[in-house]
Amino acid sequence: DTQMTQSPSSLSASVGDRVTITCQASQDISNFLNWYQQKPGLAPKLLIYDVSNLEPGVPPRFSGSGSGTDFTLTISSLQPEDFATYFCQQLHNLPPTFGQGTKVEIK
Amino acid sequence: EVQLVESGGGLVQPGRSLRVSCAASGFTFEDYAMYWVRQVPGKGLEWVAGISRNSAIINYADSVKGRFTISRDNAKSSLYLKMNSLRIEDTALFYCAKDKNSDSSGLNYYFDLWGRGTLVIVSS
Repeated sequence: DTQMTQSPSSLSASVGDRVTITCQASQDISNFLNWYQQKPGLAPKLLIYDVSNLEPGVPPRFSGSGSGTDFTLTISSLQPEDFATYFCQQLHNLPPTFGQGTKVEIK
Repeated sequence: EVQLVESGGGLVQPGRSLRVSCAASGFTFEDYAMYWVRQVPGKGLEWVAGISRNSAIINYADSVKGRFTISRDNAKSSLYLKMNSLRIEDTALFYCAKDKNSDSSGLNYYFDLWGRGTLVIVSS
């Protein structure tokens, strides 16, 4: 299986901060990388698909980049509603696999 | 409203069976592949199974292959997961998820709509 490793596992940040989360795949996954946001008690929500495409309704402060094995999710100016756990997911190789998650907490 | 609602979870003994269901509404169910994804509370996500829109293509995670069966009833806009020979390590919140793409006859693994999950606890 393709292992997805996110870093950091958690981070503390303030409103307005720029936040970067990385996701590394154990093998080349081309551009088949999605990002999800999960708030406590709620289901995950697809934020970004195919590395950099925002889902409808996702604010432009979210962006994604990368290719091959190394990917990044960036929140340009953290807002109160962005405090959540973020997961990356690869869909290039079966089975589809997720990173372990990055929890973004209030500083 | 576009939504998925899971049901059927509960407490079950190891080795027993359970069927969980997912009711879809607000979109044309038969146009989309569907999936089950599970999450141990407080932990990560694990894809469990997927089924194409006409049930011609079905895939399972190795951890459940031979024990779990995914199925769908397009006339009822419903997705099912029959779980046999349950193990303690199957304890998780089971989410139903919809594929993003309607223009494919296969499985694409873009999970763009999720239900709120149904909790399955396997314990003696």
